[in-house]
Amino acid sequence: EIMMTQSPLSLPVTPGEPASISCRSSQSLLHDNGYNYLDWYLQRPGQSPQLLIYLASTRASGVPDRFNGSGSGTDFSLKISRAEAEDVGVFYCMQALQTPRTFGQGTKVEIK
Amino acid sequence: EVLSVESGGGLVQPGGSLRLSCVVSGLSFKTYWMTWVRLAPGKGLEWVANIKDDGSATNYVDSVKGRFTISRDNAKNSLYLQMNSLRVEDTAIYYCARDRRPAQYLGLNYWGPGTLVTVSS
Repeated sequence: EIMMTQSPLSLPVTPGEPASISCRSSQSLLHDNGYNYLDWYLQRPGQSPQLLIYLASTRASGVPDRFNGSGSGTDFSLKISRAEAEDVGVFYCMQALQTPRTFGQGTKVEIK
Repeated sequence: EVLSVESGGGLVQPGGSLRLSCVVSGLSFKTYWMTWVRLAPGKGLEWVANIKDDGSATNYVDSVKGRFTISRDNAKNSLYLQMNSLRVEDTAIYYCARDRRPAQYLGLNYWGPGTLVTVSS
């Protein structure tokens, strides 16, 4: 089973300022097809999880361009260029290279 | 618009059974794998199981193997999760989500609102 480790686990953000979350996997998520099978999800309070980024850097339809995913192999990051109040919630990374799929512990984002 | 709606949750005693359902509309259900994910109180998201587009392959997290069975009925655009021998630690909100196509991965998308399963005596 691939282990996923996120940091930080808690992240106070200032509206308008950038923020970044790191995700590391216990083995490479790079597939033979050249894609890294790493997703990012946001679960806002009281809501279902929402897909933000798949294949490490592809933004899902309708996701604001202030969310950017990067990384390869075992080290990935999600950057928010300018945080907004609606970004409050728990962000998760998830590896989709193997089953069982595994999530990181989650990063709780709150507004300062 | 794609809509996923889960149902079938409720309160059940340890050792009991429940069958969850998820009806999906607005997409070509039979061409996608489908997934169940759960969120236990105070915990993070946990992937539970997925099933191939034609139902011919399934995968499970170790903690539910032998107890849970994922299935689907493509004629009814429906996904199921039969949960037997339930344990207190299975208490969670269960979500269904659209998974991959056989040759294309697009993330887990179109999550339903979830259905709450509570296992308690």
